[in-house]
Formats: sequence, C-alpha cells, structure tokens
Amino acid sequence: DAKTTQPTSMDCAEGRAANLPCNHSTISGNEYVYWYRQIHSQGPQYIIHGLKNNETNEMASLIITEDRKSSTLILPHATLRDTAVYYCIVSPIYGTASKLTFGTGTRLQVTL
Amino acid sequence: GAGVSQTPSNKVTEKGKYVELRCDPISGHTALYWYRQSLGQGPEFLIYFQGTGAADDSGLPNDRFFAVRPEGSVSTLKIQRTERGDSAVYLCASSLMIGMTGHNEQFFGPGTRLTVL
Repeated sequence: DAKTTQPTSMDCAEGRAANLPCNHSTISGNEYVYWYRQIHSQGPQYIIHGLKNNETNEMASLIITEDRKSSTLILPHATLRDTAVYYCIVSPIYGTASKLTFGTGTRLQVTL
Repeated sequence: GAGVSQTPSNKVTEKGKYVELRCDPISGHTALYWYRQSLGQGPEFLIYFQGTGAADDSGLPNDRFFAVRPEGSVSTLKIQRTERGDSAVYLCASSLMIGMTGHNEQFFGPGTRLTVL
C-alpha cells in the first residue's frame, strides 16, 4: 500500500475551517484515499473517502489534487468535538476487504 | 443499532499468562479485523477474517497470537504466554463486503486495553 505523510499536529479555532493535508505521492490508480479520525479513548471512525474527484458529506469535504499525489480534508466549521487524531490512509479498490494501514496521523486541537 | 462491541474493556494480567479478547461485530458484517494500538501510534493490522476463515494473518507478530471466528460472527483473539510488550489497546472492526470492488468502510469497536504486568 502507498505510504502517506501528514503533519504531526495542527491547531484550529472553533468555528473556523480546519484544513488537514496529506501527501501520498506513490498512490496508484487502483487506490482510494480514506480519512478516519480517532477521538480520545475511542476506536477510529470513518469520515470520507475518494478516488479522484472531490467529495463532500455531512462531516467533511475531501479535495484530491489532479495528479492524486496529495489531498486535503476540510472540516468547514470545526467544533471542540472535532479534537481528535486524523488519519489519511490509502487502500486498494480491488480484491477482498483490505486492511487499513494507519500512520501516526495529525493531532487536531480545536480551541475556543 | 448496536455497533461493534469488545469485551472486556480492560484486562490486567501477569507476564506468562494466557488471555482471550472477544469481539462482537455488527450483525451481518462478513469481514472482521483485529488491530493493535500502542501508545502514541496508529492502529497496526493483525488479522482479517472473511466469514469463518482468516483471509490475511500477516500482521500477527508471532505464534503466541491466534484468532478464531468459528461461526462467522463473534471472534476471539488469543494470546499465549503474554509479555510486557503485548500491552496495548486491541481494536476490532467489521465491515460489510459487497462484491470484490468498491468502498469498504470499517466500523471499529472501543477496544480492549490489555496491560501485562
């Protein structure tokens, strides 16, 4: 699986947009970009995924560059409850259910 | 609806003892995964089941670790002769596989915190 690189930590003021970057320069055409987050003392939670088009759901937006070598997760109006570790993961499209290869993620701290 | 549940939530044991950790996946989910998370690290894959069979056990660190899913639902992760280095949070996840391609969202349980003294 392709490796991802994320900043170790970020801060964001409550109510502002949080933009979390991820580099995945070795991604192949057969791999999705997934984002999960892990709130303290809980299991990871799926946020969003994409292949090559930008995606939006009720939680977040995912912007993938045209060359697919990087992406940005956008939380449009961050709240204190969005404080968590955010993981960017690349995972194959084809084949049986794939394991998720987590890195160390980005620790997002949302402050008042 | 019920999510993935794991028992116990906490387990303290002594070095050399045997432990079993249980995972109840979401009803109807055919795929089940075990991960291990050490302090300050992301979860690390251990093993994946499709139905009753282990489809990928490449993440099991050594032969002290074993997992079963005899009826294709509940799974048990078994650790023999525990060592202090086995201390971690053990996470279970399940997913609903549809066909051989496409999105595979994994739903995680809260984990079991294992402490080996």
